[in-house]
Amino acid sequence: KAGVTQTPRYLIKTRGQQVTLSCSPISGHRSVSWYQQTPGQGLQFLFEYFSETQRNKGNFPGRFSGRQFSNSRSEMNVSTLELGDSALYLCASSAGATNEKLFFGSGTQLSVL
Amino acid sequence: AQKVTQAQTEISVVEKEDVTLDCVYETRDTTYYLFWYKQPPSGELVFLIRRNSFDEQNEISGRYSWNFQKSTSSFNFTITASQVVDSAVYFCALSDNTDKLIFGTGTRLQVFP
Repeated sequence: KAGVTQTPRYLIKTRGQQVTLSCSPISGHRSVSWYQQTPGQGLQFLFEYFSETQRNKGNFPGRFSGRQFSNSRSEMNVSTLELGDSALYLCASSAGATNEKLFFGSGTQLSVL
Repeated sequence: AQKVTQAQTEISVVEKEDVTLDCVYETRDTTYYLFWYKQPPSGELVFLIRRNSFDEQNEISGRYSWNFQKSTSSFNFTITASQVVDSAVYFCALSDNTDKLIFGTGTRLQVFP
């Protein structure tokens, strides 16, 4: 069974640009969560999608958004990039019940110059 | 409010030593879940264990063991006879009625041959 796949693996953008990251969950998984990991703030929850609906949201500005498609694949978008958005963005999937164990992808390393 | 504290930033041991990683949590809820994840250099978080708040039994899985003590709000993780492959960052996490998974800041474990 294929694991969680995130693309691209690395991304370099400049301030003010926007970026879209993609996540393909494990087959059969209906929940996708996104996390931001930085050396200063650690791992922070961005949002979670289940059956194409946002089920939970962290404390991030509206520049961070996401969506989930009918095949459970998810994308997250960051608009008007800031230097502080440089981070490893991790996607995780689970079958769907809350509080289940999560299966993580290897992440997308975003650098904002 | 939810909070997870991993006071040990970095631990270095020599192979075959036992090592304990500490985790202290805070939550107002009586129903909650605690997790440990491992993040090797590849970046992908790997699930190790999930424990719910009603199950205080300690658990052993091979060289790994977990000690859950509600009285002290701790969920500590011990690796017996550590190996070089155990080198990674280990995260403790908490999920309560908010359904958001909150991570500690992680403990970097280095096992030297």
